[in-house]
Amino acid sequence: AQTVTQSQPEMSVQEAETVTLSCTYDTSESDYYLFWYKQPPSRQMILVIRQEAYKQQNATENRFSVNFQKAAKSFSLKISDSQLGDAAMYFCAYRSVNQGGKLIFGQGTELSVKP
Amino acid sequence: DVKVTQSSRYLVKRTGEKVFLECVQDMDHENMFWYRQDPGLGLRLIYFSYDVKMKEKGDIPEGYSVSREKKERFSLILESASTNQTSMYLCASSSNLRRSQETQYFGPGTRLLVL
Repeated sequence: AQTVTQSQPEMSVQEAETVTLSCTYDTSESDYYLFWYKQPPSRQMILVIRQEAYKQQNATENRFSVNFQKAAKSFSLKISDSQLGDAAMYFCAYRSVNQGGKLIFGQGTELSVKP
Repeated sequence: DVKVTQSSRYLVKRTGEKVFLECVQDMDHENMFWYRQDPGLGLRLIYFSYDVKMKEKGDIPEGYSVSREKKERFSLILESASTNQTSMYLCASSSNLRRSQETQYFGPGTRLLVL
């Protein structure tokens, strides 16, 4: 069975600085998808960024980028130029190609942004 | 924009009560999911559905059942609520189109307290 681990329950960053959130996963599959979701306080969960395992190039969405290391089974999220609105719970998630839309989530990392 | 709504933001029930959590999506999505979110555990899949009247167990189905009579609506049922079912419940939906780009869209969540 696949598992996703986020070893940082809480992280803090100064506004305008860069922060990296860690995620590791375990799978025997070669093709899958990885996601980072953001859950702001009292607001709905939204997708931040996705990565397809067969793509070597790291995904980027504006200030958000990932460092995808397939051999190490690592999928970290880098947030550049952090803003107050980035404060949220961040979840890493895995989806198998063969198991439909099921997502397996990590434990979450709560990010606070200091002004 | 995709909209996923849940019938209640907060709910307080007594032990032994039958509880219905309703989820509605307005984007004609085939797939719908119910998760529960607990601190330190992330999100765990309870049940999901790929089509009307179809359901599959997730990772923690015990104590829960679901119903999907219409494509847009997915209900989670707690037949006899217990205190260990106190949690945040999140509904999500996704489309089968362009499967590799599938994104799950989440509702705002229902925070259930069982006394």
